[in-house]
Amino acid sequence: GAVVSQHPSWVICKSGTSVKIECRSLDFQATTMFWYRQFPKQSLMLMATSNEGSKATYEQGVEKDKFLINHASLTLSTLTVTSAHPEDSSFYICSARELAEAYEQYFGPGTRLTVT
Amino acid sequence: DAKTTQPTSMDCAEGRAANLPCNHSTISGNEYVYWYRQIHSQGPQYIIHGLKNNETNEMASLIITEDRKSSTLILPHATLRDTAVYYCIVRVAEYGNKLVFGAGTILRVKS
Repeated sequence: GAVVSQHPSWVICKSGTSVKIECRSLDFQATTMFWYRQFPKQSLMLMATSNEGSKATYEQGVEKDKFLINHASLTLSTLTVTSAHPEDSSFYICSARELAEAYEQYFGPGTRLTVT
Repeated sequence: DAKTTQPTSMDCAEGRAANLPCNHSTISGNEYVYWYRQIHSQGPQYIIHGLKNNETNEMASLIITEDRKSSTLILPHATLRDTAVYYCIVRVAEYGNKLVFGAGTILRVKS
């Protein structure tokens, strides 16, 4: 089956710094990638949708200048949390869909971000 | 996309069938029913999806009522590794359409 990887799997950073999370589709070309955030004991919340080569579409309430998304190639999308604060501490999960596949979204293993 | 209603939690004995219900009374004719699960601290895993016919794969069976207003995910022989949060989602299967997760059902498989 299709595999999506994320790097790093966990990261600790200091308040005010920026952190980048990578999402890669390993064996397929992902024309669309999604970024989710999940707080403890809560469900996944969609943050944004990105299509290769174009700007991401952010969900209502998600600050695009704080959560920078780049989908520069068909196998890589990055999420940069800028000027991170403790309230940004969360589990960030990406998923990917290839062009011809409208049915399935393949999810990455997630990245645990802790801001101290 | 139509909204779904699932029980908050369920318990199941190891080796028995786990039947997870989902109500989607406002489902539209072109919306599919999807099931995903999320084991603790991992990304969601696709299980199965269907439109109106019952579906079966190596993981589970999906039973959709004739009026399509509800469905049941069946794990035929639950194991401890099936303990997870199970999400029932309905959406139109169109390119670019996004998956929106509800609260899901916490399934605890007990020995």
